Amino acid sequence: DQQVKQNSPSLSVQEGRISILNCDYTNSMFDYFLWYKKYPAEGPTFLISISSIKDKNEDGRFTVFLNKSAKHLSLHIVPSQPGDSAVYFCAASARDSNYQLIWGAGTKLIIKP
Amino acid sequence: DGGITQSPKYLFRKEGQNVTLSCEQNLNHDAMYWYRQDPGQGLRLIYYSQIVNDFQKGDIAEGYSVSREKKESFPLTVTSAQKNPTAFYLCASRGNSRMNTEAFFGQGTRLTVV
Repeated sequence: DQQVKQNSPSLSVQEGRISILNCDYTNSMFDYFLWYKKYPAEGPTFLISISSIKDKNEDGRFTVFLNKSAKHLSLHIVPSQPGDSAVYFCAASARDSNYQLIWGAGTKLIIKP
Repeated sequence: DGGITQSPKYLFRKEGQNVTLSCEQNLNHDAMYWYRQDPGQGLRLIYYSQIVNDFQKGDIAEGYSVSREKKESFPLTVTSAQKNPTAFYLCASRGNSRMNTEAFFGQGTRLTVV
């Protein structure tokens, strides 16, 4: 029973264009969401987060959008760069689950030259 | 520099042997975590510790053991009881596990059973 789902195993985007990574969740108690980036054989690195009291958070080229009614969040990367090629994980946590991070399966982003 | 260090990066184990993965952090974080990553799957929680001398089982604790004798250290032992130990293991820490904060990860240890 996956509470956090990333339904696209991979995504290919042209360099310079916008990359949109999607994440759906089922637990309405989740109140904090995070995106991580992971290169092969390395640990994930934190990218950006959003609290459920907001619907948008922006940091440079990265913007996360949260649609609570649809239980959906997305990460926008614009413009996409070759170094953005990696696996992206979304994660969520809830106070009533002891703030444990629940992870999606990841989406592999490939930036084409 | 502050961070989390996992060692070794690559580890080979013979079937039937126990092996211990090291995780050290100098971030002064209270909470530490062990995850396992398999191809095509998200991170699955093995064990976590919110404070020294205390730890809790995660979703897939069978065949693993941990200790938390020092705030900086959270070693993971993969025992012979773990039926499918070949995986990528990740250690993480958080400043405060009782609020919404990001986790910081080590570089990972690739364990292969030969």
